[in-house]
Amino acid sequence: EAGVVQSPRYKIIEKKQPVAFWCNPISGHNTLYWYRQNLGQGPELLIRYENEEAVDDSQLPKDRFSAERLKGVDSTLKIQPAELGDSAVYLCASSLGDSHGTQYFGPGTRLTVL
Amino acid sequence: SQQGEEDPQALSIQEGENATMNCSYKTSINNLQWYRQNSGRGLVHLILIRSNEREKHSGRLRVTLDTSKKSSSLLITASRAADTASYFCAPWTNDYKLSFGAGTTVTVRA
Repeated sequence: EAGVVQSPRYKIIEKKQPVAFWCNPISGHNTLYWYRQNLGQGPELLIRYENEEAVDDSQLPKDRFSAERLKGVDSTLKIQPAELGDSAVYLCASSLGDSHGTQYFGPGTRLTVL
Repeated sequence: SQQGEEDPQALSIQEGENATMNCSYKTSINNLQWYRQNSGRGLVHLILIRSNEREKHSGRLRVTLDTSKKSSSLLITASRAADTASYFCAPWTNDYKLSFGAGTTVTVRA
């Protein structure tokens, strides 16, 4: 069974440019998460989807970040415009959405903003 | 806010030795999970312990949970070079969130 797929794996952009990350979760997983992981830190939740509904976006900086999960399958996270402080690894995870919360992570996208 | 806090921040051991790391958290939990992250890669789920369990084993891993002290420990026995990674505890709270700490970086020397 394929795991969580993310692309691109690496992205280097100039500040003020837009950037988008794509995630395809494990088949059948209704819950999808986007995390940001800064160097030397653990992942921090940005947004959680249940099917196509964003049920927790309290940590998403809505002035520049947006996300969508059309049709409740794959998802896109966008930053516009990017700032230097956005340099991080962006991780996507999915789960069955059961009460245990075990999550399966993709390899992440490493973003560098110059 | 990050709930799980791992201790120590870094650990260096000889191959074959045991590695122990601790985790503290702040609020009530449904369960507590441990994840591993190899350099530059995504996180992999290792083990989950429910709030009504005190100890759990999986292969060379042993996890304990003390809800009265809001703490957990992860023991890796007979370590191998492949165990070199960062280990994160993640309490699963009642608002359906995993809250990761900064992790413990484990280096296993040959």
